[in-house]
Amino acid sequence: GAGVSQTPSNKVTEKGKYVELRCDPISGHTALYWYRQSLGQGPEFLIYFQGTGAADDSGLPNDRFFAVRPEGSVSTLKIQRTERGDSAVYLCASSLRFYLGSNYGYTFGSGTRLTVV
Amino acid sequence: AQKVTQAQTEISVVEKEDVTLDCVYETRDTTYYLFWYKQPPSGELVFLIRRNSFDEQNEISGRYSWNFQKSTSSFNFTITASQVVDSAVYFCALIVSGGSYIPTFGRGTSLIVHP
Repeated sequence: GAGVSQTPSNKVTEKGKYVELRCDPISGHTALYWYRQSLGQGPEFLIYFQGTGAADDSGLPNDRFFAVRPEGSVSTLKIQRTERGDSAVYLCASSLRFYLGSNYGYTFGSGTRLTVV
Repeated sequence: AQKVTQAQTEISVVEKEDVTLDCVYETRDTTYYLFWYKQPPSGELVFLIRRNSFDEQNEISGRYSWNFQKSTSSFNFTITASQVVDSAVYFCALIVSGGSYIPTFGRGTSLIVHP
């Protein structure tokens, strides 16, 4: 597609429930990133995919968070047993492989606003 | 470890004023990349500029200009003759070479331009 698409745009869930957030990157972008942005804060890195594999998942806060990208395109961020502290905007970004000397930035989606009540 | 500091939480100006958003970064790497992003109320982060650590030349793009100074580890962003449409949150970000190329973001500066 023309841009990075994230669905749903808003999600309200009850504490303890399971949620899935979807990211559809720009066609052909091999790198995909998930970030979490709390109110008044900058985006915090969660996980990075290069193709189908998670190249770096050091930002996932705990084992309730998991993400997949089975075909190297669409990615799903999964949160189990949601807690009120998980409430945030979850941003997805995609890019071509980052080469030294290239002069472009990541393309971000509009995010999914997750509210855990 | 790297860090990006945007000390200004919120700036409020009147249209046509010039405004500078500060960004100070910390890294021990000699090769790194600095970015500015704009986040309008719609939520998506819009790429504005990227600078490489080996290129300290300042850049101007229309009403936007960037001042990169390695001596003070700063990468400040100036908007000349601000407009209401410039109202947004602006993020400075840093990527260091040799890792996963994952940006570290500052906390952002909220710019409000009043008509």
